[in-house]
Amino acid sequence: QSILTQPPSASETPGQRVTISCSGSTSNVGRDNVYWYQQLPGTAPKLLIYNDYQRPSGVPDRFSGSKSGTSAFLDISGLQSEDEADYYCAVWDDSLGSYLFGGGTKVTVL
Amino acid sequence: EVQVVESGGGLVQPGGSLRLSCAASGITLSGYWVHWVRQPPGKGLVWVSRINPNARTTTYADSVRGRFTIFRDNVKNTVYLQMNSLTVDDTAVYFCAADFGGRRDCWGQGTLVTVSA
Repeated sequence: QSILTQPPSASETPGQRVTISCSGSTSNVGRDNVYWYQQLPGTAPKLLIYNDYQRPSGVPDRFSGSKSGTSAFLDISGLQSEDEADYYCAVWDDSLGSYLFGGGTKVTVL
Repeated sequence: EVQVVESGGGLVQPGGSLRLSCAASGITLSGYWVHWVRQPPGKGLVWVSRINPNARTTTYADSVRGRFTIFRDNVKNTVYLQMNSLTVDDTAVYFCAADFGGRRDCWGQGTLVTVSA
């Protein structure tokens, strides 16, 4: 069981909005930068969000990140079929002295 | 084009050793932290280790500390993960990530390590 808690799945119809949560603690999400990765089936993870809310170049602005206290959030608006993937949050944990990944959320486009 | 390629995976018996390599083109690894992340079959991502640009700082997950060693050869533009005392729980695809979480974040396609008798 992951220290960072994500819902195992989320689904919505095309064009709608999906929000994925990542719940941690004061030693990780509440203190350090959160990263969000997208992993399409059979491929390497791709960075979607860094430093809580910033997007690398090339990532559509349909993807946005935010944080409140010890929880972080990834919003996907205007959902598209190609957004079907697993999404992971990641953050440094000061108490453990290591990075952590959430358990991952599988997004299905209905 | 920036490319990161892992190699060195394979089948090894419990208690055995393996050395993974992470080579890059289009990016000079010596300028970045490089991380190893693994993914057991059908499961999620697990962070393993990292090394800073001048190799003076290394960090490990509790599950591998004392068994795995990360090191780099900046002349060869390559980072390595020496894995000793392997157990079945180490079975996973191992990814190398340059500039993890940074603007140039770049991952390879992974190399499969299978620990089995």
